[in-house]
Amino acid sequence: QAQLVQSGTEVKRPGASVKVSCKASGYSFTDFHITWVRQAPGQGLEWMGWISTYSGGTNYAQKVQGRVSMTTDTSTTTAYMELRSLTSDDTAVYYCARVSGLTQTTYGPVDFWGQGTLVTVSS
Amino acid sequence: IQMTQSPSSLSASIGDRVTITCRASQGILNHLAWYQQKPGKVPQLLIYAASTLQSGVPSRFSGSGFGTDFSLIISSLQPEDVATYYCQKYNTAPPTFGPGTKVEIK
Repeated sequence: QAQLVQSGTEVKRPGASVKVSCKASGYSFTDFHITWVRQAPGQGLEWMGWISTYSGGTNYAQKVQGRVSMTTDTSTTTAYMELRSLTSDDTAVYYCARVSGLTQTTYGPVDFWGQGTLVTVSS
Repeated sequence: IQMTQSPSSLSASIGDRVTITCRASQGILNHLAWYQQKPGKVPQLLIYAASTLQSGVPSRFSGSGFGTDFSLIISSLQPEDVATYYCQKYNTAPPTFGPGTKVEIK
């Protein structure tokens, strides 16, 4: 059974950076892409970006382009999402999720999600 | 491509048939998924390719649609279906989510 386990809660000051990890297990890591989604308190789901675990290629949402970096370490089957220049608007639960491969499409659907990482940005 | 959902919330009785609609601002063929997010929980994939039920999902859930208009139907609402439901188009980037529909029990 596929599993994604994320790093723990973070509290950051405005202007700081955060790096969230997502450890994958139970499947062949490089056979499935990883996507990152965030959810602000009481709000809906917002796609942040995508990374190919095979090639390292990325595609980021326009809203966070320039502030976000997504990487993977295939030796440890771990994906990372770093977000820089944090503001209070970045306060959210951040999810990594596996693109399922159920269809011949690159960006979805996603079938396994991490448990979420709460990032709070506050002075 | 923008995704809209209606209604934004609904309240229905146990056993009721519930329909949630999702509309894409441009055609997306059948590249649409539905997710269920129960309060305080992680989203779960219910349906993909507009109408294919994900493994393990109860058969009271069904999906339909093609192009720009899609529906998620719960044939007989159960207490455990209290959740927010999101559609997502995934044919191209960005794979945008709809704003969600909150389903409650009357």
